Amino acid sequence: DVVLTQSPATLSVTPGERISLSCRASESVDTYLHWYQQKPNESPRLLIKYASQSISGIPSRFSGSGSGTDFTLSINGVELEDLSIYYCQQGNSLPYTFGAGTKLELK
Amino acid sequence: EVQLVESGGGLVQPGRSLKLSCAASGFTFSNYYMAWVRQAPTKGLEWVASITNSGGSTYYRDSVKGRFTISRDNAKSTLYLQMDSLRSEDTATYYCTALAYWGQGTLVTVSS
Repeated sequence: DVVLTQSPATLSVTPGERISLSCRASESVDTYLHWYQQKPNESPRLLIKYASQSISGIPSRFSGSGSGTDFTLSINGVELEDLSIYYCQQGNSLPYTFGAGTKLELK
Repeated sequence: EVQLVESGGGLVQPGRSLKLSCAASGFTFSNYYMAWVRQAPTKGLEWVASITNSGGSTYYRDSVKGRFTISRDNAKSTLYLQMDSLRSEDTATYYCTALAYWGQGTLVTVSS
C-alpha cells in the first residue's frame, strides 16, 4: 500500500501568514494526489485535485504543487476559517490511501 | 445544487448486515466513478470501495473484501453499500463521494 506521510501533524498559525503543508508518498503516485479540508462534524471538502488543479468555489489562497512522491499544499494568507484538518489522498494505486492529516490551530 | 444523501446507518450487532444508500442529484451520476470512504470516531479517513461509472468494475480494501458489496443504479442515481458480517472495527461514519462531491455521512455502529 502507498503510505502518505503528512507533516507537520499540527501547525500553529497566525492569520495572514503563508504556510505550506507537506505530503510525502512512499512510492510515486504521479499527480494522482488530492487535498481535502475537514472541519469538525463536517464532511471533507476537496481543495485541490491532481496535485495542482484548482476547484471551483475554493478560495484562490489555496494552491497545490508537486508530483511523484513530494507534494505541498500552500495557503497564502491564512484566515481563521482555515483552522481545520487537511488530508492528502492518492488515487494512483489500490488501495487508495489517505494521509493522517495536518491540523491547523491558532498560535 | 449537487447533493449526495446517505441513509441506512444505525446500530447493528456484530455478524449482522446493513445496507447503505446514497441518493445523488444535481449532477450526471452515470458519468462519475463513485466511492465509499469511512471515518472511525476521532480517526482519519479510510477508503472502503469504489465502482466505475458503468458499474462494471468494483474495488475494495482488503479488510472488507468478501464482506462488503458496492453497487449502483444509474437509473435511480443511487449508490449502495451492502455490508455483511459486520465487525466492531467497521464502526464509522460512512461517506459516499465522487471526489469533488461528498455526502453528509451516515453513522454505522457495530456493537452488541
